[in-house]
Amino acid sequence: GQQLNQSPQSMFIQEGEDVSMNCTSSSIFNTWLWYKQEPGEGPVLLIALYKAGELTSNGRLTAQFGITRKDSFLNISASIPSDVGIYFCAGLGGSQGNLIFGKGTKLSVKP
Amino acid sequence: DAGVIQSPRHEVTEMGQEVTLRCKPISGHDYLFWYRQTMMRGLELLIYFNNNVPIDDSGMPEDRFSAKMPNASFSTLKIQPSEPRDSAVYFCASSPTGAETQYFGPGTRLLVL
Repeated sequence: GQQLNQSPQSMFIQEGEDVSMNCTSSSIFNTWLWYKQEPGEGPVLLIALYKAGELTSNGRLTAQFGITRKDSFLNISASIPSDVGIYFCAGLGGSQGNLIFGKGTKLSVKP
Repeated sequence: DAGVIQSPRHEVTEMGQEVTLRCKPISGHDYLFWYRQTMMRGLELLIYFNNNVPIDDSGMPEDRFSAKMPNASFSTLKIQPSEPRDSAVYFCASSPTGAETQYFGPGTRLLVL
């Protein structure tokens, strides 16, 4: 079946640093989504990407839909302690409900 | 506005017992999704409904799992009999348009002993 490879698995950074994470797949996706999950909560949608090559920002977050439609990237600039959490990529394929999630990148930010 | 509501938030049960998880979607959302999250397998879609009708249940692990949506404001996920390998966090999500705009509930943490 379709799988998403998300990397890195975890990151330990200093407050103020920039962060980059990515997601790759052997399959093509029509939509890429990035979620953040905090402890004890459900994932919250951060950014949605609908078009190959699209670059979208949400505050300090920027995400890109890869040209090949098989990858996506998320960057966080000037990280702050509240950025701590697990970031998931998700790809939407042909089926309306078939949202495939990556395994997540756990981000830790040291003040 | 209230988000997606799930109950209970935590459930501890013994192997063999029936477990029922409940979800109240956001009012007006026509789509409802059930997910399971584990360390090993991550987030997996179990089943989703559109207008109370199950559309895709291919993610339901086996016959021990069943889900219903008797009306637009309520859904249940039932496990009978439960097994230790069912221990996970179960999320319900709802959406007004489909998979790309899902709002997740806080989850139910299930532990089967």
